[in-house]
Amino acid sequence: QSVLTQPPSVSGAPGQRVTISCTGSSSNIGAGYDVHWYQQLPGTAPKLLIYDNSNRPSGVPDRFSGSKSGTSVSLAITGLQAEDEADYYCQSYDSSLRRVFGGGTKLTVL
Amino acid sequence: EVQLVESGGGLVQPGGSLSLSCAVSGFTFRTYWMHWVRQAPGKGLVWVSRINSDGSTTNYADSVKGRFTISRDNAKNTLYLQMNSLRAEDTAVYYCARGMSGSYAFDIWGQGTMVTVSS
Repeated sequence: QSVLTQPPSVSGAPGQRVTISCTGSSSNIGAGYDVHWYQQLPGTAPKLLIYDNSNRPSGVPDRFSGSKSGTSVSLAITGLQAEDEADYYCQSYDSSLRRVFGGGTKLTVL
Repeated sequence: EVQLVESGGGLVQPGGSLSLSCAVSGFTFRTYWMHWVRQAPGKGLVWVSRINSDGSTTNYADSVKGRFTISRDNAKNTLYLQMNSLRAEDTAVYYCARGMSGSYAFDIWGQGTMVTVSS
């Protein structure tokens, strides 16, 4: 049971827009801690995609964007491409001094 | 090039011990907090432990507290994870990850090392 909740799967056709939600509690996201997103391509290590809710590291395409409003957090991917097919994880900090993850969302490009 | 390279994984019997290493290059290791994150086969990411830049403070997930010990040698640019009293549920790929400066994110990840606990 993951601390943060994500939908198990989402899908979209090439060129479409998809969003992935991430829900926490009053001890993590609700407490105001930032949310980060990772992309894990099949058989590879996770890669930082979005940090501090909405910032992209150098090299991440602007098709990827993150938002946080109150306790509502989401990752959006526009102009979906076949290479975006991967698992996506949200992560935050918890007042129990732990980093916490969502259970992951598998993105399928139809 | 910034790089994290884990080693030390393998097959171990329940109740046994294993020590993982993470060799770091391409950045000033001694200035960063470091973490271990694991991923059981077919499952999601789970944070395991973290250590601050000089090694003076550590934190652990409840599932490994008292059994695992994180440490670092800043002179050798190496992070360690000593795992004792291993259980089947510790079977996972173990990643070392760099804590991002000024954030609670992990900005650099190693390729991972597989630990299998089985008789």
